[in-house]
Amino acid sequence: NAGVTQTPKFRVLKTGQSMTLLCAQDMNHEYMYWYRQDPGMGLRLIHYSVGEGTTAKGEVPDGYNVSRLKKQNFLLGLESAAPSQTSVYFCASSFPVGNTGELFFGEGSRLTVL
Amino acid sequence: DAKTTQPNSMESNEEEPVHLPCNHSTISGTDYIHWYRQLPSQGPEYVIHGLTSNVNNRMASLAIAEDRKSSTLILHRATLRDAAVYYCILRRQGAQKLVFGQGTRLTINP
Repeated sequence: NAGVTQTPKFRVLKTGQSMTLLCAQDMNHEYMYWYRQDPGMGLRLIHYSVGEGTTAKGEVPDGYNVSRLKKQNFLLGLESAAPSQTSVYFCASSFPVGNTGELFFGEGSRLTVL
Repeated sequence: DAKTTQPNSMESNEEEPVHLPCNHSTISGTDYIHWYRQLPSQGPEYVIHGLTSNVNNRMASLAIAEDRKSSTLILHRATLRDAAVYYCILRRQGAQKLVFGQGTRLTINP
């Protein structure tokens, strides 16, 4: 069982470069999320999606874009990376909250922006 | 979103019970209480959730105060593998997102 898979797991960028993080889930979940976690801090929600073709802003959306073209994939893009975006990024997915709403998380993607 | 308050850190011994408190004095009637934990270098994992009644599962028990202004996550017999950050989160019925706080860092002594 793959669950939630994040690609890549590690990446180093220079300031101003762009990149895309890919999240893939094989559980047929409707909802998908992108969080970031800075050292010693809790998770902060960047963007989320409640279905294919839909996206919404979370707590800290600035500097990021997302797309959900396929139900199983949720992409997080950084158009012009900044050192403040150095963080560990977690993707999660879940069924709609009519069920338990349990979120399943990936293992994280560690991004360093120099 | 209603706010939760947890101690920054707690310490316990292996094979002893652990009671992790969470205060949520502004909880509304449709807020579910969720607990997640995050083991070192991993993504968070679901532990348990409840609304009004106490809940048990294979991982833990959740005790909810009668006025619902506080709750306690109970690990019945802690192991070293239970060392993690535990997050208490309120999620309103129908809410699409889950907002994490700072959590409690639990240390288990051998």
